[in-house]
Amino acid sequence: SQTIHQWPATLVQPVGSPLSLECTVEGTSNPNLYWYRQAAGRGLQLLFYSVGIGQISSEVPQNLSASRPQDRQFILSSKKLLLSDSGFYLCAWKAVDYGYTFGSGTRLTVV
Amino acid sequence: DQQVKQNSPSLSVQEGRISILNCDYTNSMFDYFLWYKKYPAEGPTFLISISSIKDKNEDGRFTVFLNKSAKHLSLHIVPSQPGDSAVYFCAASDVSTDKLIFGTGTRLQVFP
Repeated sequence: SQTIHQWPATLVQPVGSPLSLECTVEGTSNPNLYWYRQAAGRGLQLLFYSVGIGQISSEVPQNLSASRPQDRQFILSSKKLLLSDSGFYLCAWKAVDYGYTFGSGTRLTVV
Repeated sequence: DQQVKQNSPSLSVQEGRISILNCDYTNSMFDYFLWYKKYPAEGPTFLISISSIKDKNEDGRFTVFLNKSAKHLSLHIVPSQPGDSAVYFCAASDVSTDKLIFGTGTRLQVFP
């Protein structure tokens, strides 16, 4: 069966520090992968998506970047975090029948 | 530009009654619509979906209605239960872009 792993679950980082959130998928090959963010009082905002290794599409210009070094690995990064980067980050993959499966999320607090 | 909108940030419904959550969209290229339920500190879970070729889809207590001319969809929950209390997101997809665009969410509270 297909599963998606996302870690860490919570993270508190100081302003200006780097960030690395990792997402891995099991039980499928060549999935479409997505990073979403839910900020306080806002909906789920699509940040990045990837249709294959090394292929990254950015939806919103910001302080974040994404990479896909392996088929089932998707990484969200930042070199220097801002206060506005705080939020709940979700990784997702898309099955062939339009169904999106989400990870359990990472709550990031930048202090 | 918010392509998918949920204009009601919150909704309170008594247990056993109907909950109606609304969603509007602007992109006429969207051809598939989904509803997700989300609890705090968890990822969203899929509830129900509808293709643009249909105007209604039903799954147990959940029914989604699509009005393409009005670019409007709604989720009906009957009867509502306290366990339905969560944030509900509608989402839309355009097959040509392979992206899922979410609304801002509606917090549903079902009280006894």
